[in-house]
Amino acid sequence: AQSVTQPDIHITVSEGASLELRCNYSYGATPYLFWYVQSPGQGLQLLLKYFSGDTLVQGIKGFEAEFKRSQSSFNLRKPSVHWSDAAEYFCAVGKLSGAGSYQLTFGKGTKLSVIP
Amino acid sequence: SAVISQKPSRDICQRGTSLTIQCQVDSQVTMMFWYRQQPGQSLTLIATANQGSEATYESGFVIDKFPISRPNLTFSTLTVSNMSPEDSSIYLCSVDGGAGTYNEQFFGPGTRLTVL
Repeated sequence: AQSVTQPDIHITVSEGASLELRCNYSYGATPYLFWYVQSPGQGLQLLLKYFSGDTLVQGIKGFEAEFKRSQSSFNLRKPSVHWSDAAEYFCAVGKLSGAGSYQLTFGKGTKLSVIP
Repeated sequence: SAVISQKPSRDICQRGTSLTIQCQVDSQVTMMFWYRQQPGQSLTLIATANQGSEATYESGFVIDKFPISRPNLTFSTLTVSNMSPEDSSIYLCSVDGGAGTYNEQFFGPGTRLTVL
């Protein structure tokens, strides 16, 4: 069965600083990997996803993630954090199910706080 | 994309009672999903609901406790039955956007349930 580990429960960074959120996965086949963001009172929003091809994927809001098969990792990065990035971030691995949809397994999330 | 609304947004309930959560989508979708997010925990898939068929439940979740209806392609309900304090969670519905979105899952804002 697939699983996702986000080792950092809470991270605090200064506005303008760089950010890296860690994600490790366990999956027996080629993984489909996702990063979602959840702002207070909001649903989850997809930041980016990796299916195949280029291991460095670009997402929305200036985020990027790099897939490293040898390390079973899919870390999320942003070169300069904005105060509006404060939210909870979830990494997920998707298992392809019937009708082409994905069954998502989520990590426990990393809460990001941004200080001025 | 798909815009999803959920009702109620939050509720406080007494143990032993039941609550029905509604999920409305602004477009017709084939697959809908219900997740539970317990305090400090990750999102866990409860069941997958396709229109015109019985919901498929994940391990640890049963129909008697979480009956689901899917009467049409834009609406679904999840009932949390005979509630106990352990059912206090955020319940989220999501939909598969279909092949046009590369099967991205779109999430509703969630229903925050507190059971006393």
